[in-house]
Amino acid sequence: RKEVEQDPGPFNVPEGATVAFNCTYSNSASQSFFWYRQDCRKEPKLLMSVYSSGNEDGRFTAQLNRASQYISLLIRDSKLSDSATYLCVAELNTGFQKLVFGTGTRLLVSP
Amino acid sequence: DVKVTQSSRYLVKRTGEKVFLECVQDMDHENMFWYRQDPGLGLRLIYFSYDVKMKEKGDIPEGYSVSREKKERFSLILESASTNQTSMYLCASRAQGGYTFGSGTRLTVV
Repeated sequence: RKEVEQDPGPFNVPEGATVAFNCTYSNSASQSFFWYRQDCRKEPKLLMSVYSSGNEDGRFTAQLNRASQYISLLIRDSKLSDSATYLCVAELNTGFQKLVFGTGTRLLVSP
Repeated sequence: DVKVTQSSRYLVKRTGEKVFLECVQDMDHENMFWYRQDPGLGLRLIYFSYDVKMKEKGDIPEGYSVSREKKERFSLILESASTNQTSMYLCASRAQGGYTFGSGTRLTVV
């Protein structure tokens, strides 16, 4: 079983739609969580950290449920420029901190 | 902003060659990482380093080694390149609040 699992998609949505991505993690030692965005043939870039209380950054809302080991990302009012792959990431601290990545969810926003 | 620079964007090497991938960060970070990214497999950790001359194996270290002689530089070495090491290689540096990635090196081994 993968440590971080995501639906690979693609999610095809029209501009203006609301779309939600989910992610589950298996290692309860995971301490911190992030969503990264990766454009085609580019490096991943931090979109936002994810907190248990939930956090919002403009059109993006992230949620963490530690009991269910579940993370989500909600994008409201989708823009064409949101088309990318979204990576769910857990940071483990097993003496050393390291990131474990999901394989990503691809989003395509169309006019 | 943190800058993580990988020396080559594209590389083509022959089977059996020794390959060096270089990564430099400009923010005096202690923790640096090498990942490879393959379709359907996502990013997988090869090696990481938490200080000069310190290194730890990641999830897929076989066929690779690393060097960290200076804090700002973390090198990935393919001792004898093989075709199954054709991949995108990404270096990352860790700071408070997140990780910054270099732009990647797309290595093709022929």
